[in-house]
Amino acid sequence: KQEVTQIPAALSVPEGENLVLNCSFTDSAIYNLQWFRQDPGKGLTSLLLIQSSQREQTSGRLNASLDKSSGRSTLYIAASQPGDSATYLCAVRPPGGGADGLTFGKGTHLIIQP
Amino acid sequence: EAQVTQNPRYLITVTGKKLTVTCSQNMNHEYMSWYRQDPGLGLRQIYYSMNVEVTDKGDVPEGYKVSRKEKRNFPLILESPSPNQTSLYFCASSLSLAGTYNEQFFGPGTRLTVL
Repeated sequence: KQEVTQIPAALSVPEGENLVLNCSFTDSAIYNLQWFRQDPGKGLTSLLLIQSSQREQTSGRLNASLDKSSGRSTLYIAASQPGDSATYLCAVRPPGGGADGLTFGKGTHLIIQP
Repeated sequence: EAQVTQNPRYLITVTGKKLTVTCSQNMNHEYMSWYRQDPGLGLRQIYYSMNVEVTDKGDVPEGYKVSRKEKRNFPLILESPSPNQTSLYFCASSLSLAGTYNEQFFGPGTRLTVL
């Protein structure tokens, strides 16, 4: 059964730093990988989606990479800001885009200190 | 605005009192699903629907029912809620399962407390 692990569980850095969040998964046969952001009391906001055939996706200050063979993805946040403080979740979809749901990691709780 | 909406956002109820959490999307999405989020366990899928009148169990379906009579709506029904169903619930949708781009969009969540 697919398992998704996110390291670190929590991270606190000063404003302006570049940082990397890690996501690993046990079964490399995935359909796609999606990064989400969750703010307290709010839903999940989709940040980036990487297809299994892609290596990376970029949106503004965010860059997500995917190394399917090694079962790893990273989310790079450039020039961090206090507004980036949130919990970041990665999730993988089963192979074949099947009806099974996303398998989520438990998230990285990120705090950006002003 | 394209969105997934859920109601209510917060609910406190008592054991055994039937309740329904509604979910609606305005993006003409075929695929809809329900997740629950619990501390230390993360998000787990409860039920999903691939289209109208097509539903199936996810990883943790016990104690829940769903229906999909219209494409836009996917209510979650708890016939006899119990305290272990206290959780944060999310509805999600995506355009379809076909193709390679099936980004999932999530609702704002419903925080349910069963006393």
